[in-house]
Amino acid sequence: ILNVEQSPQSLHVQEGDSTNFTCSFPSSNFYALHWYRWETAKSPEALFVMTLNGDEKKKGRISATLNTKEGYSYLYIKGSQPEDSATYLCAFSTGGFKTIFGAGTRLFVKA
Amino acid sequence: NAGVTQTPKFQVLKTGQSMTLQCAQDMNHEYMSWYRQDPGMGLRLIHYSVGAGITDQGEVPNGYNVSRSTTEDFPLRLLSAAPSQTSVYFCASRRTREGDTEAFFGQGTRLTVV
Repeated sequence: ILNVEQSPQSLHVQEGDSTNFTCSFPSSNFYALHWYRWETAKSPEALFVMTLNGDEKKKGRISATLNTKEGYSYLYIKGSQPEDSATYLCAFSTGGFKTIFGAGTRLFVKA
Repeated sequence: NAGVTQTPKFQVLKTGQSMTLQCAQDMNHEYMSWYRQDPGMGLRLIHYSVGAGITDQGEVPNGYNVSRSTTEDFPLRLLSAAPSQTSVYFCASRRTREGDTEAFFGQGTRLTVV
């Protein structure tokens, strides 16, 4: 059974803090790892797709790293802003037609 | 460019009723899928399609049917609604069959079965 674990489940930070979350996934049969940002009452939106071990992706203040050998990915947010408050989902693909999602990390940024 | 359009946004059903959730995409994507999202759990795959005329079961298919008669549309049918099907449903599409392209999601349907 493929399982994707995200930690922590939720996180409260102050505006300006930097933070990071973890996504753990099976290290075998890896094909791709996705990060999505999901704001309340909206639909999830893609942040990154990573396919190679050691990949690092960056979009503004948000970046992600990938370690396929040990089965984890980190998402970093530098200088958190209230508008960063959202649930961050990671999803793992083995290259087939099924993508397994984690339960998400819910981030609250207080002004 | 509308992306993925999903209707309705909210629905209340009585146990035993049937209904169809509509999903349409205008990006000419091959792959479409339906997920349900329950508290404390990740999005779980109900059914997916890799092209017109081709559908397959996901992780939690029981109680749901799908069809894909065109590239654009992928409706999800609840045959006989049960309280266990109370959930938020998302339709998604992506350009390729393989898992290395981003998924685009509809706005979601919040379904309550009483």
